[in-house]
Amino acid sequence: GDSVTQMEGPVTLSEEAFLTINCTYTATGYPSLFWYVQYPGEGLQLLLKATKADDKGSNKGFEATYRKETTSFHLEKGSVQVSDSAVYFCALSDSVGANNLFFGTGTRLTVIP
Amino acid sequence: NAGVMQNPRHLVRRRGQEARLRCSPMKGHSHVYWYRQLPEEGLKFMVYLQKENIIDESGMPKERFSAEFPKEGPSILRIQQVVRGDSAAYFCASSPPLAGGHNEQFFGPGTRLTVL
Repeated sequence: GDSVTQMEGPVTLSEEAFLTINCTYTATGYPSLFWYVQYPGEGLQLLLKATKADDKGSNKGFEATYRKETTSFHLEKGSVQVSDSAVYFCALSDSVGANNLFFGTGTRLTVIP
Repeated sequence: NAGVMQNPRHLVRRRGQEARLRCSPMKGHSHVYWYRQLPEEGLKFMVYLQKENIIDESGMPKERFSAEFPKEGPSILRIQQVVRGDSAAYFCASSPPLAGGHNEQFFGPGTRLTVL
């Protein structure tokens, strides 16, 4: 079945450090891949997405590339800020069958000044 | 364009009571999804509805839980005879009619249910 495996946290970084959060997936069809961010006490917001192999999603300095050969969608940012502190969820939506999202367990990022 | 709206934001119930959670999708969206987030866990899919139809309820517990999305009004997730294990954040998401099988969902702020 479809699943997402996400790097476990928590992750603590100093401001301006480089961020990588690993995400790999298993899917039966040709999934779309997403990164969502959840700030404290809020719902999820879509951060970026990629709908086919080799696509790169990017937003707010974050980026992730859809790698079919390694079934991965790692999230990166070159220089994190305190305001990036949140929980990040990797997710997929398979094109086969129902279109619900499968989520990873989330990675909590804390950026310290 | 208002986002997905959920109410109440916080709901406290005693064991055995009923909980009703409401979700109004974004304007123009005809698809609604409900997810549950237990503490320190990711979101787990519960049910996918279109107007007056349940499309996929494979993630719904077999008993006490039901969902509807009537022709008029919000989608409702109903939990009867709540137990402490139902305490969680319940998120609703909506999407426009699907195109090419790819799905972008927009999430509401969630309802945090606490069962005493």
